[in-house]
Amino acid sequence: AQSVTQLDSHVSVSEGTPVLLRCNYSSSYSPSLFWYVQHPNKGLQLLLKYTSAATLVKGINGFEAEFKKSETSFHLTKPSAHMSDAAEYFCVVSERSGGYQKVTFGTGTKLQVIP
Amino acid sequence: GAGVSQSPRYKVAKRGQDVALRCDPISGHVSLFWYQQALGQGPEFLTYFQNEAQLDKSGLPSDRFFAERPEGSVSTLKIQRTQQEDSAVYLCASSLIPGTPGNTIYFGEGSWLTVV
Repeated sequence: AQSVTQLDSHVSVSEGTPVLLRCNYSSSYSPSLFWYVQHPNKGLQLLLKYTSAATLVKGINGFEAEFKKSETSFHLTKPSAHMSDAAEYFCVVSERSGGYQKVTFGTGTKLQVIP
Repeated sequence: GAGVSQSPRYKVAKRGQDVALRCDPISGHVSLFWYQQALGQGPEFLTYFQNEAQLDKSGLPSDRFFAERPEGSVSTLKIQRTQQEDSAVYLCASSLIPGTPGNTIYFGEGSWLTVV
C-alpha cells in the first residue's frame, strides 16, 4: 500500500526568501511522485513529476524537487518566494496497482507568502 | 477539448435531493478518475474508469454514490438522497495511458457541491 505524508499543514515565508515544503512517501514498488498546486477556487495544476529518471526534477515557476530513496522523501523547494506562490500544494504518489495507475494524495500544505 | 471540463461548477442541493455531476475528459484519454475533496483536505479517491469499464470503485463512500462512463468518454457521478456530509468539491481527472505510474493526470476545476 502506498501513502504520502506532508509534514507541515501550513508554511509561512517572506517574499523573496526560500520555500521548503516537505513530503515523505511509502510505496511497495518503484513509485512516481508528483507535486500539484491548487490556487483558491481553481483546479489542480502539475508543478513537476519524478518518474525514475533524474532525481532532481525541475518544474514550472522556479520550483524543483529532489527524490531521495534512502530518506523516502520528495521535498519541494524554490529559491525565492513570490506573492503568486501563495496556494495549497499537494504531494502525490503513484504506482501501478491492479493494472492501473493508483494515485494517493497527501493532505496538503498551505503556503502563505508575506510581503 | 483543451482540458478536463466539469459541470456544473457550483451546485446547491437540498438534503435528500439527487444530483448528477458531469465530466468531459481530455479527448482520447483512456483513464478517468473521480476524487472527493472536503474543505481543508486533500483529494480522496472515489472511482476509476478505463474506457467504459469501471475497474475500481473502492472509494465510493456509500451505495448512494454511482458513476458511469457508458461510451468511454464523458462520465457522470450521481449522488442519490444527498446528505450534508456529501458537501465537497468533486474533482474529475483523466490521463492518456493506463497503468503507467508516471502518467500525468490532468484535473478539472471541480464541481462544488453544497448540501443544505
